[in-house]
Amino acid sequence: NAGVTQTPKFQVLKTGQSMTLQCAQDMNHEYMSWYRQDPGMGLRLIHYSVGAGITDQGEVPNGYNVSRSTTEDFPLRLLSAAPSQTSVYFCASRRNRGNQETQYFGPGTRLLVL
Amino acid sequence: SQQGEEDPQALSIQEGENATMNCSYKTSINNLQWYRQNSGRGLVHLILIRSNEREKHSGRLRVTLDTSKKSSSLLITASRAADTASYFCATDSNSGYALNFGKGTSLLVTP
Repeated sequence: NAGVTQTPKFQVLKTGQSMTLQCAQDMNHEYMSWYRQDPGMGLRLIHYSVGAGITDQGEVPNGYNVSRSTTEDFPLRLLSAAPSQTSVYFCASRRNRGNQETQYFGPGTRLLVL
Repeated sequence: SQQGEEDPQALSIQEGENATMNCSYKTSINNLQWYRQNSGRGLVHLILIRSNEREKHSGRLRVTLDTSKKSSSLLITASRAADTASYFCATDSNSGYALNFGKGTSLLVTP
């Protein structure tokens, strides 16, 4: 299994541009999440999905859209990039909501918005 | 909102020494997890401790949980240079579908 994969690894955008961060998992996990990691802030939840067709907002959803058309894929869209969205973005997946389930993380996408 | 807070923010020790990191959280939990993040990489799960457990071991890792104090500690014994990383505690979010992470402890182990 490849686990959780993310593309691209690094991206530079200009303010106002849009882009999609890709995330895929091959473990047939129901739950997927997007986090952003900023220096001194730890990881903050952006959006999550509990299955195909079902998404919900996390702690910092503004400026981001998600969709979940398949179990495997969970793309994150920036509609109009802002410098405040400069961050490292991590996608994660989890089998189910069970109390003993851990999350598996992708390698991250480093985004710089100029 | 972030649930866990790790302490200290940074820790520097020599190989062979033990490293202890602490985590405090705010609300009741079902379990608490610790993750490690090597520089420039994603997070890797280390260990999970349930709310009805007080201590758990995994190799050189020892985790304790005190639900009355809403705190947990991670002990790494006989540390190695390869243990250099950031360590995060995490608890279930209110939704139960994702995790709330602390800000992490940055551990440096020097040869």
